[in-house]
Amino acid sequence: DAEITQSPRHKITETGRQVTLACHQTWNHNNMFWYRQDLGHGLRLIHYSYGVQDTNKGEVSDGYSVSRSNTEDLPLTLESAASSQTSVYFCASSARGEGYEQYFGPGTRLTVT
Amino acid sequence: QQQVKQSPQSLIVQKGGISIINCAYENTAFDYFPWYQQFPGKGPALLIAIRPDVSEKKEGRFTISFNKSAKQFSLHIMDSQPGDSATYFCAASISSNTGKLIFGQGTTLQVKP
Repeated sequence: DAEITQSPRHKITETGRQVTLACHQTWNHNNMFWYRQDLGHGLRLIHYSYGVQDTNKGEVSDGYSVSRSNTEDLPLTLESAASSQTSVYFCASSARGEGYEQYFGPGTRLTVT
Repeated sequence: QQQVKQSPQSLIVQKGGISIINCAYENTAFDYFPWYQQFPGKGPALLIAIRPDVSEKKEGRFTISFNKSAKQFSLHIMDSQPGDSATYFCAASISSNTGKLIFGQGTTLQVKP
């Protein structure tokens, strides 16, 4: 069965360190998204991609970057982790032309100390 | 203009009761309104969705009511069950803007047995 996976599921890091969260989907979807989930804020879009070599900034992109070198993967990098980036991060994907039905991964809980 | 406002933040309902979650939006360009359901420790999953050309959509015990003139839509869960206990997110999208969803803040529903 097709799926979307995230790793690691839990991560503790120190302020100032670079952190990369992995996202891998086997749906063969063109669209991929990264969100962060914080209480009271719902899901906020960080970055998104509509295909290989395409990346776009979302609502809360400062301090984050992504790259898309193949269809399956969209890693999220925190260049210099800050305590404000402590959150649960979700990756999602959707088929081209059907962007509204997004399939979410299980999430990564990141703690920055 | 891009915001989707969701209420209440939390909701407690007795088994068999009706759960009602409300959302409001400002951007009249939104033309697709999905609801996502999220269980603890899991990623959100699409529950039901509606387009503004209909005023109501029903799937089993779940109904979306849509009021285009008021720019509001709501989720009704009939005969609520303990298994419905989850966090619910409304969202909105401009379908021509592939894939980007604007999410509400989320509602945590607890159905008491």
